[in-house]
Amino acid sequence: EPEVTQTPSHQVTQMGQEVILRCVPISNHLYFYWYRQILGQKVEFLVSFYNNEISEKSEIFDDQFSVERPDGSNFTLKIRSTKLEDSAMYFCASSKDRGELFFGEGSRLTVL
Amino acid sequence: GEDVEQSLFLSVREGDSSVINCTYTDSSSTYLYWYKQEPGAGLQLLTYIFSNMDMKQDQRLTVLLNKKDKHLSLRIADTQTGDSAIYFCAENDYKLSFGAGTTVTVRA
Repeated sequence: EPEVTQTPSHQVTQMGQEVILRCVPISNHLYFYWYRQILGQKVEFLVSFYNNEISEKSEIFDDQFSVERPDGSNFTLKIRSTKLEDSAMYFCASSKDRGELFFGEGSRLTVL
Repeated sequence: GEDVEQSLFLSVREGDSSVINCTYTDSSSTYLYWYKQEPGAGLQLLTYIFSNMDMKQDQRLTVLLNKKDKHLSLRIADTQTGDSAIYFCAENDYKLSFGAGTTVTVRA
């Protein structure tokens, strides 16, 4: 069964460093998303991406964040200069239409 | 804005039914979802319901939707220890808005 895959599963970084989280969405899906979940809190929407551009972003998704689809398969989330409060589980998701979202297993980011 | 509310905890005896409740605010949501998250794992879609339906049954899972009251519930019949997890209700206006999650603990 097709699935969304994310790498790395866990990344530890120093405050101020750049981090890139990678996702391979399901191949025939057109809509791509990043969500995050700070430990013990709810899952929060960050950004959605369609037709090679951001279609919506939340107030969390500030200038420190960017997304890119560098080729036909990968969808990346970059955090330019990480802060302690960026520590969270980051989930990538994709969907064929604006209906059912399929989530990856998540990438846990720990900022020290 | 969207706001999805859930009770935070539910404890249920193995073999009993679990009912998890959720209220939402966005009446334009086309789909409403239930996701399951086991410890340290990702989000697993359990089931979803179209907003023009009142009920959907899928094996041990029954989803009830009351659009008038904007109330969604998930019933798990014959709850098993493997059902222990956090259950998230979510609504979509193409991006998902999640509730805080209900932690379900199944006791023997």
